[in-house]
Amino acid sequence: EAGVTQFPSHSVIEKGQTVTLRCDPISGHDNLYWYRRVMGKEIKFLLHFVKESKQDESGMPNNRFLAERTGGTYSTLKVQPAELEDSGVYFCASSPWTGNANYGYTFGSGTRLTVV
Amino acid sequence: QQQVKQSPQSLIVQKGGISIINCAYENTAFDYFPWYQQFPGKGPALLIAIRPDVSEKKEGRFTISFNKSAKQFSLHIMDSQPGDSATYFCAASNGGLQGAQKLVFGQGTRLTINP
Repeated sequence: EAGVTQFPSHSVIEKGQTVTLRCDPISGHDNLYWYRRVMGKEIKFLLHFVKESKQDESGMPNNRFLAERTGGTYSTLKVQPAELEDSGVYFCASSPWTGNANYGYTFGSGTRLTVV
Repeated sequence: QQQVKQSPQSLIVQKGGISIINCAYENTAFDYFPWYQQFPGKGPALLIAIRPDVSEKKEGRFTISFNKSAKQFSLHIMDSQPGDSATYFCAASNGGLQGAQKLVFGQGTRLTINP
């Protein structure tokens, strides 16, 4: 089965520009998550979709970040306008809906975003 | 406020030795404790996980030890091999019966196994 696909793998943009990251989860996985790791820090939760609905967006840093999951398939994370502190690796992960406790996520390889 | 604290930040072990990484958590509602392994250029991959109703779980050379009263858990890698060189993350969540929940990660440990 295909894994979680993220693109681009790298993005370098200037402060104030807009960037859109995309995530294609494993087919049939209802849960989709976005996480971010800033250099040397822990991986931090951003938000969680169940199908096309936002289940938890408590980790979104501010309103410059907008996540969508149209049709419950792929998801996009847009940063507009980008700031220097947005630099980091953005991971997407997916998992099946089990209705019962936790199962391991499958992570994508991440998008390394550098804002200069 | 960091809810899961991981140590050490980096670790060098000789081939064949035992690698030990420790994590401590604060939220007593956590009920799922996975460890993830990440190689350069790849995303984290689930290695092994434990629930608080057991004190130890072993899968091959990898063992999780869990101390509920101390709110600590650790990863032991026996007979460490150069191929184990990677970054390891501990994590925790409280999924309960509501399905998949967000993970709270530790800061990561960069493990190097010298041949």
